[in-house]
Amino acid sequence: GAVVSQHPSRVICKSGTSVKIECRSLDFQATTMFWYRQFPKQSLMLMATSNEGSKATYEQGVEKDKFLINHASLTLSTLTVTSAHPEDSSFYICSARDRGRALENGYTFGSGTRLTVV
Amino acid sequence: GQQLNQSPQSMFIQEGEDVSMNCTSSSIFNTWLWYKQDPGEGPVLLIALYKAGELTSNGRLTAQFGITRKDSFLNISASIPSDVGIYFCASLVSGNTPLVFGKGTRLSVIA
Repeated sequence: GAVVSQHPSRVICKSGTSVKIECRSLDFQATTMFWYRQFPKQSLMLMATSNEGSKATYEQGVEKDKFLINHASLTLSTLTVTSAHPEDSSFYICSARDRGRALENGYTFGSGTRLTVV
Repeated sequence: GQQLNQSPQSMFIQEGEDVSMNCTSSSIFNTWLWYKQDPGEGPVLLIALYKAGELTSNGRLTAQFGITRKDSFLNISASIPSDVGIYFCASLVSGNTPLVFGKGTRLSVIA
């Protein structure tokens, strides 16, 4: 089945530094990547949608200069949290969509990244 | 925006009991998906539903797509400890749009 590898699984960084999270589709082409964040005991909140080779579309209230998304290839998308602050601490999850696959197999989630900013 | 209302928010059940949770929406959807999220992991697809009235099973899990296309339920029979986790309903407007998620049902199973 489709696999999305997300790294790192956990990261602790100092306030003011930047953190990069990677998501790779291992056996399919991720034509579209969705990035979510999840606070404790809450649902997944969509941050942005990116199509390979295009600029990401951000949801209302998500700062595009703070959460930089790169989707330069069909197998790799990255989310960089710039100048991180404690309030950015959260669980970040990517979801890759392969338009060539049947719908039930077409949305595959990474295993998530727990970001803690101290 | 579109919202999925999922209930109950949490459940504490004895091992062996059956579980039922549901999602409703004010909008019509063409697809209903049910996911499970284990602690510290991403969601994993359990069941996908595509037709109004469709009833689909996956082992001890059974889900149905409501005939009005505005609701769905998920049943888990004979619960076991590894059923613990958060269950999310999700849907989408079209094939390449982001999934819309319910708020989740947190299931705890007491052995």
